[in-house]
Parts: sequence; C-alpha cells; structure tokens
Amino acid sequence: KQEVTQIPAALSVPEGENLVLNCSFTDSAIYNLQWFRQDPGKGLTSLLLIQSSQREQTSGRLNASLDKSSGRSTLYIAASQPGDSATYLCAVSRGSQGNLIFGKGTKLSVKP
Amino acid sequence: GAVVSQHPSWVICKSGTSVKIECRSLDFQATTMFWYRQFPKQSLMLMATSNEGSKATYEQGVEKDKFLINHASLTLSTLTVTSAHPEDSSFYICSASLAAEPYEQYFGPGTRLTVT
Repeated sequence: KQEVTQIPAALSVPEGENLVLNCSFTDSAIYNLQWFRQDPGKGLTSLLLIQSSQREQTSGRLNASLDKSSGRSTLYIAASQPGDSATYLCAVSRGSQGNLIFGKGTKLSVKP
Repeated sequence: GAVVSQHPSWVICKSGTSVKIECRSLDFQATTMFWYRQFPKQSLMLMATSNEGSKATYEQGVEKDKFLINHASLTLSTLTVTSAHPEDSSFYICSASLAAEPYEQYFGPGTRLTVT
C-alpha cells in the first residue's frame, strides 16, 4: 500500500529565506507526482507536476525534484514571501487516470 | 484553463436529510472525476472514482449506498450524502483529470458540509 510522508509537518521562517519541503513515498511505481498548495478552508492549487520519467520541474520561485528510485521528492521555495504561507501537499499517482495519494502536508508560515 | 467548480461552497443540513454536491469541469471534458474528503488538519482521502457513464468505484470503507455518485456527463459529477449524520461533517473536494498525458488533476474549491 502506497504511503506518502511529508516532513516537516510545520515550518516557520522569516521572509526572504530559501526553504525545502520534503516528501517521501513507499512504492516507487508511480505515474507522476504533484505538489499542491492549500490555503485555509480552500481547495487545492496545483503548483508543479513531475512525470515519473522526469527529475525536476520549475515554476518561478518553485523547483520540485523527484528521485523515484529512492522514493523522494523535494519542493524548493526561493526567497520566501508572506504570501507563500499555506499548507503544501505532495501527492503521487498510481497510474494514468489514477487517483492521487496525499501526504498530510507541511504547514508553512513565512513571517514578515 | 482547466477550471473545476463545486456547488455549493458550503452547506448546513439537519441530521437525516440528504445533500447533493455538484462538481463541474468548466472548460474541458473529464471522463474521470474523483471525490475526496478532508477532516480538519488531515490530508485528503479518496472516497471514490467517478467515470462518465458507468458506476463509480468506491474505496474500501466508503459506503456506496450512503455516498451516491452520478457522473452523467463529461463535465458533471454529483455526490449525494444520504441520511446525513454529524460525523459526515467534513470538507468534500472533487477533482477532474485531463484525458491526455500527463493526466494532471485539477481540483475544485471544495464544499464544507456541516450536519447539525
């Protein structure tokens, strides 16, 4: 059974810092991996999707890497801003058209 | 593009009544939609996979007679919580998958259900 773990559960940093969020999964047979952002009481916003054949994806200040063989992904946020404060969720897909299995998320707080 | 809407965004209902939640893909056709629920400070848990024109596939432990799913068209799936109880109070989120690689999922804004 696939399990997704995110560390740390919560993180508080001062504005401007670079930071790394970690995600690990137990079954390396994934189709793709997605990082999402969730604001309190809101739905999910897709940040980055990495296909199983890829090693990283970048969007603006965000960079996500994937090491499928070791079951790990990281989300790097450069020059953090207070607006980045949210819960970040990592999810893996077990196949095309397959559902996503989520980690519990990392709650990020960026202090001005 | 790839916008998914949900209606209503929040609903309060009395115990024993039923409530329907709609999930729509606004600018694309989705042969597959997914329904998740999220308890406070927990992650999303898949409830069922909804395929257009066929019966939904429910995850283990999810009562199909309690959570009725209908996917009548390529842009609409509905979740009906029947005979709701306070323990059904949760945040329900749907997603729709693009029918092409990399099959990225797009999520609706969620529906907050409170059963009194």
